[in-house]
Amino acid sequence: AQTVTQSQPEMSVQEAETVTLSCTYDTSESDYYLFWYKQPPSRQMILVIRQEAYKQQNATENRFSVNFQKAAKSFSLKISDSQLGDAAMYFCALVLGNYQLIWGAGTKLIIKP
Amino acid sequence: DVKVTQSSRYLVKRTGEKVFLECVQDMDHENMFWYRQDPGLGLRLIYFSYDVKMKEKGDIPEGYSVSREKKERFSLILESASTNQTSMYLCASREGQHYEQYFGPGTRLTVT
Repeated sequence: AQTVTQSQPEMSVQEAETVTLSCTYDTSESDYYLFWYKQPPSRQMILVIRQEAYKQQNATENRFSVNFQKAAKSFSLKISDSQLGDAAMYFCALVLGNYQLIWGAGTKLIIKP
Repeated sequence: DVKVTQSSRYLVKRTGEKVFLECVQDMDHENMFWYRQDPGLGLRLIYFSYDVKMKEKGDIPEGYSVSREKKERFSLILESASTNQTSMYLCASREGQHYEQYFGPGTRLTVT
């Protein structure tokens, strides 16, 4: 069975510090994509970062980067220089070749000023 | 910018009513999705459509149906609303399977 696990229901970090959100997944497929999405309070879900499984290089978008460990089936999100606007629910998602999408339960990120 | 709109932000319906939730996207995307979002459960896929008039059941289709008569519009129908369908409903669209999904603002449905 394909699963995505976010083991941290809630995380908090001091403004300007770095935080890492964990995500592990399980699939027997070799071709897949991984995404991190962000859902700010009462606002729309938006894409944070995307990783193709065939790429060894970790994806980076400004202050957001991933640590993709394919063998360990781990896909963590690192947020550097945390800002108040980063406060949100973060969801990890696994997309497989047959239109299948599997979502984690989410991690609520709190930024302390 | 891709825009995905949903017909209502908040909706209150009575048990047994037929409920229509509509979603419209403006980027000619082939794929569209309906999810429900509940605390601690993440997003659960109800139905998705990969083309006009084409639909596939997701993980929790029971009690729901969908309609996609035009490419830009994907409707979710609750044939007879029940209190356990009280939830946040999110619509999304995407260009293809390897691309990101664009989400609408969500409809918070309360069934009393």
